[in-house]
Amino acid sequence: NAGVTQTPKFRILKIGQSMTLQCTQDMNHNYMYWYRQDPGMGLKLIYYSVGAGITDKGEVPNGYNVSRSTTEDFPLRLELAAPSQTSVYFCASSPGWPAGNTIYFGEGSWLTVV
Amino acid sequence: GDSVTQMEGPVTLSEEAFLTINCTYTATGYPSLFWYVQYPGEGLQLLLKATKADDKGSNKGFEATYRKETTSFHLEKGSVQVSDSAVYFCALSESNTGNQFYFGTGTSLTVIP
Repeated sequence: NAGVTQTPKFRILKIGQSMTLQCTQDMNHNYMYWYRQDPGMGLKLIYYSVGAGITDKGEVPNGYNVSRSTTEDFPLRLELAAPSQTSVYFCASSPGWPAGNTIYFGEGSWLTVV
Repeated sequence: GDSVTQMEGPVTLSEEAFLTINCTYTATGYPSLFWYVQYPGEGLQLLLKATKADDKGSNKGFEATYRKETTSFHLEKGSVQVSDSAVYFCALSESNTGNQFYFGTGTSLTVIP
């Protein structure tokens, strides 16, 4: 009953440090996504993937990188962290059309850059 | 392109009051429509969905009807509870956009006893 699992849940980074947010899903979904949510704001798409080996940029990709070597995993890499990257990050997955295109979210990763 | 416009908040209601959160959309084809709920400190959870015109999605006393003629998917609940306090997001997805999901900006609801 795991669904989409993200780690870590909380992290404090210093400016210039790098880190990877891990995301794994056990529903065999083709599509995976990374969103960020700034305080009091909606969701912004960072990167997405339509299947293993395929990734593409979303609305706000600068400062981030992703990879999709397996169907299950979709890590998000933050390079040279900046205060503007302080946010809550959500990983999500979806089976895609026509299987039923509901999107399922992880519980979020709270990141603070100081 | 596709987009979702949601009623701005925050909304504050007394317990047992009637709730409406407006949502309208723009889409090129025939989208599926969703309402997601986000409780404090948690991720978004699917509340209800509708996949074609005139469908009504319902869950936990919440309802929304897919109105193609008015491009709307308003969320309603007849009697809100304190436990309904959360942020509500309207969203759409359609097959001709590569399974992209478009979210509204969210509406914060606070229910007071």
